[in-house]
Amino acid sequence: SQTIHQWPATLVQPVGSPLSLECTVEGTSNPNLYWYRQAAGRGLQLLFYSVGIGQISSEVPQNLSASRPQDRQFILSSKKLLLSDSGFYLCAWSSGGSGGASETQYFGPGTRLLVL
Amino acid sequence: AQSVTQPDIHITVSEGASLELRCNYSYGATPYLFWYVQSPGQGLQLLLKYFSGDTLVQGIKGFEAEFKRSQSSFNLRKPSVHWSDAAEYFCAVGGYNKLIFGAGTRLAVHP
Repeated sequence: SQTIHQWPATLVQPVGSPLSLECTVEGTSNPNLYWYRQAAGRGLQLLFYSVGIGQISSEVPQNLSASRPQDRQFILSSKKLLLSDSGFYLCAWSSGGSGGASETQYFGPGTRLLVL
Repeated sequence: AQSVTQPDIHITVSEGASLELRCNYSYGATPYLFWYVQSPGQGLQLLLKYFSGDTLVQGIKGFEAEFKRSQSSFNLRKPSVHWSDAAEYFCAVGGYNKLIFGAGTRLAVHP
């Protein structure tokens, strides 16, 4: 069966520091991968998605970047964190392929980031 | 443009009461619709999905949803709510390489 991991689970970082959040998927190959952010009391905002190694699409221009160095690894990064980067970051995967609207996404447990 | 509206931000029900969470979507083609649930501090768990066929869809944890094309709705229902159902519920419509989520409905359950 497929599983998705995210780490760390919780992170407290000072403003201006770098960020690296990691997401890995097991039990599937060539998945589509997604990064979402959920600010306190708000819905989910899609940040990035990837349909393959090295292929990243950005949904919201901002202080963050994403990379996919391996098929089942997705990394969210920042060179300098802002206070507004605080939130709950969720990684998700879907079976990939056609990129059709019918693909179910499966979510990881999330990383809670607090920028002080 | 594709969008999902969940009109109710918060809903409170008594344990054992019935529940209906509303979801309206805007999508140009045949929609693929999803309901997810999120417990505090957790990721999202898929409750059910509609792709085609029977418009009444059964999901996990006793939930069901009905697709009504004429009303552009996909409301989630449960006949008898349990205290463990307290969580946030998200409706979503499938787009190309993405899901478009509603803002969520937070459900509180009174004993």
